Amino acid sequence: AQSVTQPDIHITVSEGASLELRCNYSYGATPYLFWYVQSPGQGLQLLLKYFSGDTLVQGIKGFEAEFKRSQSSFNLRKPSVHWSDAAEYFCAVLVYNQGGKLIFGQGTELSVKP
Amino acid sequence: DSGVTQTPKHLITATGQRVTLRCSPRSGDLSVYWYQQSLDQGLQFLIQYYNGEERAKGNILERFSAQQFPDLHSELNLSSLELGDSALYFCASSPQTGGQETQYFGPGTRLLVL
Repeated sequence: AQSVTQPDIHITVSEGASLELRCNYSYGATPYLFWYVQSPGQGLQLLLKYFSGDTLVQGIKGFEAEFKRSQSSFNLRKPSVHWSDAAEYFCAVLVYNQGGKLIFGQGTELSVKP
Repeated sequence: DSGVTQTPKHLITATGQRVTLRCSPRSGDLSVYWYQQSLDQGLQFLIQYYNGEERAKGNILERFSAQQFPDLHSELNLSSLELGDSALYFCASSPQTGGQETQYFGPGTRLLVL
């Protein structure tokens, strides 16, 4: 069965520190992977996506993610966190042989210390 | 702004009632998806429509139904509402059938059932 696991429910980092949010997926075919961010009271904004090609993908707001097939992972990174990055982050895998449904992880809430 | 619009933003109603949530996809997008975000279940796919036809179905209750109209807007109907239906309901859209495509999300409708 397809699934996405985000092991960290809540992470706190200091402003200016680096960030890595973990995501592991289970999918039987070539995965199409996404990271979305949800600010309080807001909708889901796409940060970046991986469909194929270069395993290191760049997104908006200075985020990047690396696809590692051997580890079934798609971790999100940012070299220097800003206070405005405080939000909830969702990793998702696209199940494309059944229409186009997204399966989401449980989310990681990021807090940023001044 | 993703270009996906949802109305209303907030909805408060009583148990046993029926409500309709509305979604307008991005210009030119033919697929509409509905997701439910709740504290206990997280983000879950409900249903997908492509050009007026049901394309994929997820964990959608029998009390819930959806349709997509010729102008491509979609409505999600929730009936016999229960307390547990309180959640944030998102609509998303993509250009075609959903395979290998990015879904862009609307701001959501927050439903509170009292």
